Amino acid sequence: DTAVSQTPKYLVTQMGNDKSIKCEQNLGHDTMYWYKQDSKKFLKIMFSYNNKELIINETVPNRFSPKSPDKAHLNLHINSLELGDSAVYFCASSPRTSGSGDTQYFGPGTRLTVL
Amino acid sequence: KQEVTQIPAALSVPEGENLVLNCSFTDSAIYNLQWFRQDPGKGLTSLLLIQSSQREQTSGRLNASLDKSSGRSTLYIAASQPGDSATYLCAVRGNTPLVFGKGTRLSVIA
Repeated sequence: DTAVSQTPKYLVTQMGNDKSIKCEQNLGHDTMYWYKQDSKKFLKIMFSYNNKELIINETVPNRFSPKSPDKAHLNLHINSLELGDSAVYFCASSPRTSGSGDTQYFGPGTRLTVL
Repeated sequence: KQEVTQIPAALSVPEGENLVLNCSFTDSAIYNLQWFRQDPGKGLTSLLLIQSSQREQTSGRLNASLDKSSGRSTLYIAASQPGDSATYLCAVRGNTPLVFGKGTRLSVIA
């Protein structure tokens, strides 16, 4: 009964390839996010979706394209992978109901290594 | 632009000690502040969330305070245990999405 799940957990690929990371939440939340944690462990927002609509794009290269088929899923597709894309990518979700604040629930992360 | 700083970057204490982790932020116009725990190779677990109108929140042995005007928050851990060893992250939410600090890596030695 995992709340926020991501697949795969590990991803090793060559430069120039295209890859996708999937995220699903079963919490009934309206808002989902993608974060990148670099080698220095600095965690930074990439995208935020609310009810399948993009609401935040933090100057991420257009090689990164999030896709939300429904509000429980937010997948991340990356084209033409570069060495600098190596990082841990975290998916998260949060409710939009009043009184719940903005608590975000995180997935376990996907460690991407680009060779 | 909001910046979040956490001090110290790493901390090692013997089991049973009380300890304080510090978080500071540059823009006091925030909606809330959240403390997370991250275990190695794992995701983040939300510990406490303090709304901008609140001054503190408590959960078990954890107590988080917020002084919005001075741009500071502390996370107090009472009677530390080896199982508390992890990286603790502070994040603030304002007009921008969550902005994270770099974390404090805590080691509690038995």
